[in-house]
Amino acid sequence: QVQLVQSGAEVKKPGASVTVSCRASGYTFSNHYMHWVRQAPGQGPEWMGIIYPSGDTTNSAHKFQGRLTMTRDTSTSTVYMELSSLRSEDTAMYYCARGAAGSGSYTSFDIWGQGTMVTVSS
Amino acid sequence: DIVLTQSPGTLSLSPGERATLSCRASQSVSSSFLAWYQQKPGQAPGLLIYGASSRATGIPDRFSGSGSGTDFTLTISRLEPEDFAVYYCQQYGYSPRTFGQGTKVEIK
Repeated sequence: QVQLVQSGAEVKKPGASVTVSCRASGYTFSNHYMHWVRQAPGQGPEWMGIIYPSGDTTNSAHKFQGRLTMTRDTSTSTVYMELSSLRSEDTAMYYCARGAAGSGSYTSFDIWGQGTMVTVSS
Repeated sequence: DIVLTQSPGTLSLSPGERATLSCRASQSVSSSFLAWYQQKPGQAPGLLIYGASSRATGIPDRFSGSGSGTDFTLTISRLEPEDFAVYYCQQYGYSPRTFGQGTKVEIK
């Protein structure tokens, strides 16, 4: 079945970086955009950025520019999200989410990973 | 950025009742680019409605979406026990994509 499986929980100190992986299966990986979304405890989801099917184009929300790096490995159907210069406010559940089929990158998010909890604490 | 404001924050209803959830955008959103998601505790959000009114695969017809411009509505015609959850609207027509703060539908 179509699924996204993410890497496990992380605990990081302020100033460090974290990398979360998201492995796709059950569909043609290169046909879909992939998004990263985070959700702080008790808050609504927050879109972080998108990586294009080709992997050579990314677009980040302004607040993450300079700190967020997204990559994809077509050979393993995996996307990666690296967030640097972590601070306590980055403590959240991080999700990858597949862009639904359609024309272009502006589609809903039809499949979500199970989430990866990232805790930033000294 | 487009701000989505959902109301009410919490909706207390009984199984079998009708739920009406509102999502208001700070500027016009093409109805082709408005989605609703359901999130249960400990789970990722799941797509319910896209394009303002199209049900995602496998979503029962008691869920319906409507609206245009800046005002959108999610209606659950008769609440089932599994429908008690948090619901988020999202616009995905502009970058950054944005979500509302959510409406919690709880058992009365």
